[in-house]
Amino acid sequence: QKEVEQNSGPLSVPEGAIASLNCTYSDRVSQSFFWYRQYSGKSPELIMSIYSNGDKEDGRFTAQLNKASQYVSLLIRDSQPSDSATYLCAVNRRTGNQFYFGTGTSLTVIP
Amino acid sequence: GAVVSQHPSRVICKSGTSVKIECRSLDFQATTMFWYRQFPKQSLMLMATSNEGSKATYEQGVEKDKFLINHASLTLSTLTVTSAHPEDSSFYICSARGVRYEQFFGPGTRLTVL
Repeated sequence: QKEVEQNSGPLSVPEGAIASLNCTYSDRVSQSFFWYRQYSGKSPELIMSIYSNGDKEDGRFTAQLNKASQYVSLLIRDSQPSDSATYLCAVNRRTGNQFYFGTGTSLTVIP
Repeated sequence: GAVVSQHPSRVICKSGTSVKIECRSLDFQATTMFWYRQFPKQSLMLMATSNEGSKATYEQGVEKDKFLINHASLTLSTLTVTSAHPEDSSFYICSARGVRYEQFFGPGTRLTVL
C-alpha cells in the first residue's frame, strides 16, 4: 500500500466551477499535510498546509482534513484556466521525519 | 512562503563531465534539504536527504559516488553529478524543510547531457 494515494486524473472542470481533489494516506501517525501545485516544466509550489481536523480556507482554496478517515482534500472555488496544473498531496510523519508525496492529480480547467 | 534558489537553472554539458548544482535557502536557515529528480511526465523522485554538517542519506538505487551532496552551511546544499551521461539528463529540484515540516522547492535545474 502506498503511503499517499491520489487519483491521477485527468480531472476536467469548466471555468468557474469547483474543483475537488482528494488524497488518502495510510499511516495514522501522520501529522502534517500539504498541497502543492506543479505547472508543467516547473517545480512544485506550496499552496496549502493543514495540521488539524477540519477546514482551512485561503482565498479560493480550502483544504479539508479528516484524520479519522485518513483523508485530505483540496477544493478550488471559481476555477480558472490558470489553475490547470498537477496537484500533489504530501504528508509528513514526524516519527522518523518521513515525508511522502502522492503521484499527483492533473487538473484542467476548461474556458 | 520561504524562498529557495537554485543555480544554474539550465545546463548543457558533454558526456563525462561533472556538473554542480547549488541550492540556497534565501530567507531562512535549513538544517535539512532534499534533492529530487523528475523525468518528463513522471512523479518526483527523492534522491537524497541532505543534513547540515553530516553525510547525506541516499534513497535506494541512487549512487552516492555519482551524486555527491554537500550541505556545508544552513543555507547551502550542493549536488554534483559526476561523470554525467545522457541518461542523467533530467530536471533536478531541491527543497528546504521549514519549521513546520513543509518543504519549499527551488525552481529546478534542467540538465542535458550530450
